[in-house]
Amino acid sequence: NAGVTQTPKFQVLKTGQSMTLQCAQDMNHNSMYWYRQDPGMGLRLIYYSASEGTTDKGEVPNGYNVSRLNKREFSLRLESAAPSQTSVYFCASSEAKAYRRPYEQYFGPGTRLTVT
Amino acid sequence: AQSVTQLGSHVSVSEGALVLLRCNYSSSVPPYLFWYVQYPNQGLQLLLKYTTGATLVKGINGFEAEFKKSETSFHLTKPSAHMSDAAEYFCAVSGGSQGNLIFGKGTKLSVKP
Repeated sequence: NAGVTQTPKFQVLKTGQSMTLQCAQDMNHNSMYWYRQDPGMGLRLIYYSASEGTTDKGEVPNGYNVSRLNKREFSLRLESAAPSQTSVYFCASSEAKAYRRPYEQYFGPGTRLTVT
Repeated sequence: AQSVTQLGSHVSVSEGALVLLRCNYSSSVPPYLFWYVQYPNQGLQLLLKYTTGATLVKGINGFEAEFKKSETSFHLTKPSAHMSDAAEYFCAVSGGSQGNLIFGKGTKLSVKP
């Protein structure tokens, strides 16, 4: 049981380049999330998906797009990378979303992205 | 709006000493509270959670936390620190508009031999 997997683990981009971060979970979870982690900032939500085919913006969505390809996979795309997007990106999943009754979230190992 | 404040971005203890990591929350509704641990170059792992019921919650690796509504706190403790406890710890509260968790900024725990 792999849990939440992310690829790649590391990536260096030049400003203006594009890339897609991949995330997959094998726990049959409905909800999936993309966070970014920056020193001293904790984790901030970029995008969220409650189910296949649905996505919603989080706290810091600018410069990113997402796709919920199927129940297992949730990808994050940077169309034109900027140095401000240098960060560690985490994908997470949870069983379900219900207002005021969140289930615990399971995290992937992260992607460390540097934009020069 | 929900928020989390972790007091102290860096805490250092000696091996065998008490670990106390502080978390205060703000929530307009009864909160669900979580502690996660992040070891170097790894993802976040759930330590423990409070949803309802008993206010003293036990987690993995000997950690526990107590929910105190009157103090809006959910401090994490461990009686005796081990070198392997060195990591960053995140407190989180439920109630994000997308069903997400709201995370504190983290406390990095160092354990001295």
